[in-house]
Amino acid sequence: DAGVTQSPTHLIKTRGQHVTLRCSPISGHKSVSWYQQVLGQGPQFIFQYYEKEERGRGNFPDRFSARQFPNYSSELNVNALLLGDSALYLCASSLVGGLGANVLTFGAGSRLTVL
Amino acid sequence: SQQGEEDPQALSIQEGENATMNCSYKTSINNLQWYRQNSGRGLVHLILIRSNEREKHSGRLRVTLDTSKKSSSLLITASRAADTASYFCATADRGSTLGRLYFGRGTQLTVWP
Repeated sequence: DAGVTQSPTHLIKTRGQHVTLRCSPISGHKSVSWYQQVLGQGPQFIFQYYEKEERGRGNFPDRFSARQFPNYSSELNVNALLLGDSALYLCASSLVGGLGANVLTFGAGSRLTVL
Repeated sequence: SQQGEEDPQALSIQEGENATMNCSYKTSINNLQWYRQNSGRGLVHLILIRSNEREKHSGRLRVTLDTSKKSSSLLITASRAADTASYFCATADRGSTLGRLYFGRGTQLTVWP
């Protein structure tokens, strides 16, 4: 059984550009969350999606958006990239309901560098 | 903003020794978890302790939780070089969004052979 898969693994963009990151959850997991991890820090919550709806949003500007598809995969979009958006973007999936809803299975991440 | 704070920020020990990491948090929680991250890759869930539990074991891992002090500790016994990684505590607030965890800055553990 495949784990959480993310693509691309690495990418380099310039300021002002747009980026789309993709995530496929573990089979059977219907909730997807996105986290940003800046070097030397812990992951920070960006979004959580379930049943194609945004269920939670962290303290990130409107340049960040996401969506979830009927097959529970998800995309994270960031517009008008800034140097400070350089980070490892982590996708995590989880069960819905019960204690398992809080246990996250993470992908390997997409490392974004903004020049 | 960060919820949990790990202490120490870095820990260096020899193989066979025990490693203890501490975590403090600020709000009421549903549960507290520990995750491990190898060299900038994805995080791996290690153990979860509920707010009504005081201690939990899993293999060489022992986690304690003191809700009155809003603190937790992770003990790794008989450490191995393969335990070298960053360790993060993460809290799930009472009534918070599913899948929303608050992570600390982590403890970088180095185990020397």
